[in-house]
Amino acid sequence: AQKVTQAQTEISVVEKEDVTLDCVYETRDTTYYLFWYKQPPSGELVFLIRRNSFDEQNEISGRYSWNFQKSTSSFNFTITASQVVDSAVYFCALSGTYSGAGSYQLTFGKGTKLSVIP
Amino acid sequence: GAVVSQHPSRVICKSGTSVKIECRSLDFQATTMFWYRQFPKQSLMLMATSNEGSKATYEQGVEKDKFLINHASLTLSTLTVTSAHPEDSSFYICSARVDRRETQYFGPGTRLLVL
Repeated sequence: AQKVTQAQTEISVVEKEDVTLDCVYETRDTTYYLFWYKQPPSGELVFLIRRNSFDEQNEISGRYSWNFQKSTSSFNFTITASQVVDSAVYFCALSGTYSGAGSYQLTFGKGTKLSVIP
Repeated sequence: GAVVSQHPSRVICKSGTSVKIECRSLDFQATTMFWYRQFPKQSLMLMATSNEGSKATYEQGVEKDKFLINHASLTLSTLTVTSAHPEDSSFYICSARVDRRETQYFGPGTRLLVL
């Protein structure tokens, strides 16, 4: 079975601080995909990144960066110089063939609520 | 690109009535759409997977006769909550993807309140 663990339930940081959101996953698949989504108070899930299991290169997009470590089954997300607009719930998710009859369904973590205080 | 819309965004109905929620992929054709339910401060719970032109596959514990899903075209799926009860009140979110290895893009969600 697939599993995604986001051990941090809630994090509070002061604006301009850096913050890292942890994500650890379990899967039997050799090919799988990892995702991060942002859910602001409005409720819509915003896609942030998708990573193929064969691509372990870290990625940076503006203030966002992602660290994929296959050896530790982790896919952590760092926000540098956090801003109030970053306040949201962030979900890490995994999809692979074992998630549901080969349909590549998403398995979500429980989410981490980030509060950025001005 | 990759925009998914949902309608309505918010609905209040009386107990016993039926409510239909639409999910549309606006700029791509979605072979598969998914319906999720989210309770306050919780993660998303997959209700069903819907492939265009075929019957939806429901997750264990989800009543198919209560939550009717239709995926009539590559850009539209509907979820009908039949004979709604207060315990059906929740946030319902749909997602769509082009094919199984592609990213799921989510709609803005529908808040249902059953009185």
